Amino acid sequence: EAQVTQNPRYLITVTGKKLTVTCSQNMNHEYMSWYRQDPGLGLRQIYYSMNVEVTDKGDVPEGYKVSRKEKRNFPLILESPSPNQTSLYFCASSWTSGGAGEQFFGPGTRLTVL
Amino acid sequence: AQKITQTQPGMFVQEKEAVTLDCTYDTSDPSYGLFWYKQPSSGEMIFLIYQGSYDQQNATEGRYSLNFQKARKSANLVISASQLGDSAMYFCAMREGPNSSASKIIFGSGTRLSIRP
Repeated sequence: EAQVTQNPRYLITVTGKKLTVTCSQNMNHEYMSWYRQDPGLGLRQIYYSMNVEVTDKGDVPEGYKVSRKEKRNFPLILESPSPNQTSLYFCASSWTSGGAGEQFFGPGTRLTVL
Repeated sequence: AQKITQTQPGMFVQEKEAVTLDCTYDTSDPSYGLFWYKQPSSGEMIFLIYQGSYDQQNATEGRYSLNFQKARKSANLVISASQLGDSAMYFCAMREGPNSSASKIIFGSGTRLSIRP
């Protein structure tokens, strides 16, 4: 089954404790992206990647890191989480960033930073 | 800078009626794509429809159609014959740039649609 998986689905952590949210897709997609969703703000793009070893900042990259060492995986790293990073996070992938390249979304990761 | 605006935070519609969800956008790039996504209460993001800036005709997908007015920079989603299962949050999104270029994708703040039986 074609899908984007994220782990963990739920995470409660404390300020400053490094964490990684994994994202994996099995569709051989080139484009992958991370978003955060906050009430009233919609989805905001954190980072995106056009292909292996190619990443770029979205609109809200501060406090986040990503890497794309393999085509299928695009982990999101919070080196020192803070309470303002409490949010719902989505990973997504598509064939390209353009055209009718609809994004396939993962199920989301709800992160709480205390 | 690119921008997406959804001015309707919430809407109530009677079942079986048609509904239009508004979306306006701002971009200086002549090449862009517009998307609509549905997010039910379960949380997943579901792709509904896509419109390219050079597409000559308005996109349609089943009960969904996109009323694309390029000069007005609007890309409204029309849902015909609404159903109870259409109750959800709806997001308009845009990406700039030609197909093969790296580009950001931005989303509007969403419209919460509630269908009344």
